[in-house]
Amino acid sequence: GENVEQHPSTLSVQEGDSAVIKCTYSDSASNYFPWYKQELGKRPQLIIDIRSNVGEKKDQRIAVTLNKTAKHFSLHITETQPEDSAVYFCAASWSGGGADGLTFGKGTHLIIQP
Amino acid sequence: GAVVSQHPSWVICKSGTSVKIECRSLDFQATTMFWYRQFPKQSLMLMATSNEGSKATYEQGVEKDKFLINHASLTLSTLTVTSAHPEDSSFYICSALRAVEETQYFGPGTRLLVL
Repeated sequence: GENVEQHPSTLSVQEGDSAVIKCTYSDSASNYFPWYKQELGKRPQLIIDIRSNVGEKKDQRIAVTLNKTAKHFSLHITETQPEDSAVYFCAASWSGGGADGLTFGKGTHLIIQP
Repeated sequence: GAVVSQHPSWVICKSGTSVKIECRSLDFQATTMFWYRQFPKQSLMLMATSNEGSKATYEQGVEKDKFLINHASLTLSTLTVTSAHPEDSSFYICSALRAVEETQYFGPGTRLLVL
């Protein structure tokens, strides 16, 4: 089955700086890669996703890049703000839109230092 | 937007009892829903895929006789934890697939504590 590795496990950045979280996946058939933000005790919130037919997607301060050859994808957050502090999970699925269950990475605890 | 609810939000039960958790898609129909489990400070692990009108598909290592899933309508899936034990204590989260967007939307989760 699919295996998703996520790094780093903890990331501390100064407010206003950029944060980058990286994930690798094992199944070359995977073609849907969402990123979720989870605050303590709450549900995961989809913040951005990318499908295998594109290499990059951007939504305001958030961007995701995908390298299918190397089987890795990354989340980029620019101009970080205190409310960006949370745990971020990457995930992968081999069907078009997560029509199959998602395989999650272990998560990155992002800490924004004021 | 796409809203998914879960009930109850938390439950405490005695060891050996059964607990039912409901997952509802409130503003869209979902032929496919998923059940995940999340232990403290860990990631989400897929337990099973729930398909309306057919049997659920369980992930390797998940006991289908212990975690009963019923997807009786296009807006409701239920997970029943049978004969619960303390090691079943966890955060159970469902998601519903909104097919038109090809995106999963998560419920708020149910925190289960088995004493």
